[in-house]
Amino acid sequence: NAGVTQTPKFRILKIGQSMTLQCTQDMNHNYMYWYRQDPGMGLKLIYYSVGAGITDKGEVPNGYNVSRSTTEDFPLRLELAAPSQTSVYFCASSNPETYEQYFGPGTRLTVT
Amino acid sequence: GQSLEQPSEVTAVEGAIVQINCTYQTSGFYGLSWYQQHDGGAPTFLSYNALDGLEETGRFSSFLSRSDSYGYLLLQELQMKDSASYFCAEGRDDKIIFGKGTRLHILP
Repeated sequence: NAGVTQTPKFRILKIGQSMTLQCTQDMNHNYMYWYRQDPGMGLKLIYYSVGAGITDKGEVPNGYNVSRSTTEDFPLRLELAAPSQTSVYFCASSNPETYEQYFGPGTRLTVT
Repeated sequence: GQSLEQPSEVTAVEGAIVQINCTYQTSGFYGLSWYQQHDGGAPTFLSYNALDGLEETGRFSSFLSRSDSYGYLLLQELQMKDSASYFCAEGRDDKIIFGKGTRLHILP
């Protein structure tokens, strides 16, 4: 069991570029989440999904898009990157019965 | 706005007990979780309370009072490795929303 995996681990983008952050889980969890964490701050929910084909906005969805075509994968798309999107991005999945979230190792993104 | 409130920093001595409080204000609430995060790492799950009362897991315990919209994490026999940030997180509808975190400093 690999748990939750994220790629890439690090990325530097120029302003206006686009990229996709990948997230995969092998625990057959229906619930998946994307968070961003700025230095010294808490985690802000960007988007979440309760199952394949279903996604919904979290607290800070602007500038991001997601899709959920399979139970395993939940990619996060950044369009027209801005310096304000410099952050650490965490993907998580959870068992809805226990609400225990399993986090990936994170992607450290810098937009310059 | 932020619906979870927790202290930004707490300092305690190795071997002592420390309590980290969390208050929430929301409808649709169904439970409170606690996570630990070391610098440079990902959050890891510590505990979850759906019902009032105390949940104990080794040196860590978590408490919830729904009537007071309040919970806390209790860490006993503090060790230096417990130096980390601790987040309360509320389950609301299908979302899990995190507080800003409490930085725990442990003095030898």
